[in-house]
Amino acid sequence: GESVGLHLPTLSVQEGDNSIINCAYSNSASDYFIWYKQESGKGPQFIIDIRSNMDKRQGQRVTVLLNKTVKHLSLQIAATQPGDSAVYFCAENIRGDTGRRALTFGSGTRLQVQP
Amino acid sequence: NAGVTQTPKFQVLKTGQSMTLQCAQDMNHNSMYWYRQDPGMGLRLIYYSASEGTTDKGEVPNGYNVSRLNKREFSLRLESAAPSQTSVYFCASSLDQGNSNQPQHFGDGTRLSIL
Repeated sequence: GESVGLHLPTLSVQEGDNSIINCAYSNSASDYFIWYKQESGKGPQFIIDIRSNMDKRQGQRVTVLLNKTVKHLSLQIAATQPGDSAVYFCAENIRGDTGRRALTFGSGTRLQVQP
Repeated sequence: NAGVTQTPKFQVLKTGQSMTLQCAQDMNHNSMYWYRQDPGMGLRLIYYSASEGTTDKGEVPNGYNVSRLNKREFSLRLESAAPSQTSVYFCASSLDQGNSNQPQHFGDGTRLSIL
């Protein structure tokens, strides 16, 4: 079946370095993608989203890149800080046959920031 | 800003007991969702409500019922709890005006253990 997945389960980076978290998706009909950050004991927190008519979107210290040719999504975090340590999920949103939209989550990547 | 509020935060049940998880949002959002998250996994959609008075099954609806009480509140009920329902349950909401994509905003979860 079609699914959203992540290449790396754990990513360890040094404080101050840039982080890149990758995500592969297989549903070519997906037209909206979201990155979430989840800290221990908390719910997922919205970071940034991107629609399929774009290939790049920037936020504060974060950039999302979308490559529809190879069905790949990435989250770049600039100057990674200890507070960025968390699990990061990508999610894709697709409209089904009934017209209802559903959000499908990947299994997550844990980002560990070393001081 | 309260956002999405879930109660209770923790609950322990015995097999066969019933309970209702409560969720309320104060963002005037139209759509609300219930997910479960099992260890090391992403979120899986249980039920969804596009608007007041409507509900729809998600990926894993068996063993659950929902009620969209009003625009603010969306409850999840376990009629006869089973150990397989031990999980962290997240409620989310999104604005979803027409066909537009909108990010979902999450509560901090209810941690449920079934003995």
